[in-house]
Amino acid sequence: QQQVKQSPQSLIVQKGGISIINCAYENTAFDYFPWYQQFPGKGPALLIAIRPDVSEKKEGRFTISFNKSAKQFSLHIMDSQPGDSATYFCAASKDNQGGKLIFGQGTELSVKP
Amino acid sequence: DTGVSQNPRHKITKRGQNVTFRCDPISEHNRLYWYRQTLGQGPEFLTYFQNEAQLEKSRLLSDRFSAERPKGSFSTLEIQRTEQGDSAMYLCASSFYGGLETQYFGPGTRLLVL
Repeated sequence: QQQVKQSPQSLIVQKGGISIINCAYENTAFDYFPWYQQFPGKGPALLIAIRPDVSEKKEGRFTISFNKSAKQFSLHIMDSQPGDSATYFCAASKDNQGGKLIFGQGTELSVKP
Repeated sequence: DTGVSQNPRHKITKRGQNVTFRCDPISEHNRLYWYRQTLGQGPEFLTYFQNEAQLEKSRLLSDRFSAERPKGSFSTLEIQRTEQGDSAMYLCASSFYGGLETQYFGPGTRLLVL
């Protein structure tokens, strides 16, 4: 059972544009939603994370929007740069179950100069 | 470098052989996680430790897999009688339970079973 669904699978954006990646989850007990960035041959690196008590969190060019009633959350990358080209994963976890992360399938982002 | 380290970075083995991977977490982190990632997919949870205690194992972790974390420091993941389906990237992550609990990942060990 896929508990976190991510879309799109791939995304091409022009430099300076906005990249938007969406995730939907099924388990209402999830209480932590991070986004990770992964470059080829590297481990995932945390970008930004949110808990369900807020609807939006912004860190630099990265923003998470969270809709608890719809069980959806999204990552917005403003002023996308070629260096942002990577694979992005959303994830979800429950603190009372050891914090294991359930990942989405990933979105391969390509930012064209 | 004070991040999570994993060794080896790459491993090629023949079907039926045993392999062992090592993970060294960030020193003050008391939780350690193992994930497996296949090409084009997100990481999948395998198991995790809090200090030296293994608290959960995924159904993905067959009897051929065993993980240890003696003394609550580094961890090893052993795969016995490897199969071609075991080919994947094995990722280790660590976090501090009681703090922000952000999981920091290592660079992974890429396993290829021939």
